[in-house]
Amino acid sequence: LAKTTQPISMDSYEGQEVNITCSHNNIATNDYITWYQQFPSQGPRFIIQGYKTKVTNEVASLFIPADRKSSTLSLPRVSLSDTAVYYCLVGDMYSGTYKYIFGTGTRLKVLA
Amino acid sequence: GAGVSQSPSNKVTEKGKDVELRCDPISGHTALYWYRQSLGQGLEFLIYFQGNSAPDKSGLPSDRFSAERTGGSVSTLTIQRTQQEDSAVYLCASSLEVAGGPYNEQFFGPGTRLTVL
Repeated sequence: LAKTTQPISMDSYEGQEVNITCSHNNIATNDYITWYQQFPSQGPRFIIQGYKTKVTNEVASLFIPADRKSSTLSLPRVSLSDTAVYYCLVGDMYSGTYKYIFGTGTRLKVLA
Repeated sequence: GAGVSQSPSNKVTEKGKDVELRCDPISGHTALYWYRQSLGQGLEFLIYFQGNSAPDKSGLPSDRFSAERTGGSVSTLTIQRTQQEDSAVYLCASSLEVAGGPYNEQFFGPGTRLTVL
């Protein structure tokens, strides 16, 4: 079964770039890697998704190496409002069905 | 458009009682997922539905847990004979398609906070 691992916490200052890495062995061949943001007392919210190489949208970039055993979420120029928990999500195909494995979550604290 | 809704938002029950948690997915989403999040912890995958079918129920924590989905829409997660360790936030999500391709972005509801006394 897939296992995902992330750093438990990170601190950063406003305006800095933050990179959060998730390791995910045994990711299903056809599955995409998705990152979510969660604020207290809310459900997770989609940030970005990718399959291979690099993906960029208006809020983040996602770097995925060729072996797809890890991915790195990059948040450019963070602000105080980016303080949240960040999760990676991968699907694991096992015996013909999927299980959805969230990473352990990285608690990002942005300081003024 | 309307997002994923869950009811009730909060549920307090006594140990041994049965509870039903409801999820209304986004219209047109074929896949529906249930997760559990204990206080200060990550998300634990419970079950997913593709249409009305749940291919794998092994993620449910015990046989006291069951889930169903009807009409390709509403889903109910039922916990029988609740125990204190069942206390958690139960999150529901839906997506256009089940995982695989690029259409598996999961949209989450606000969750139901279950407290078992």
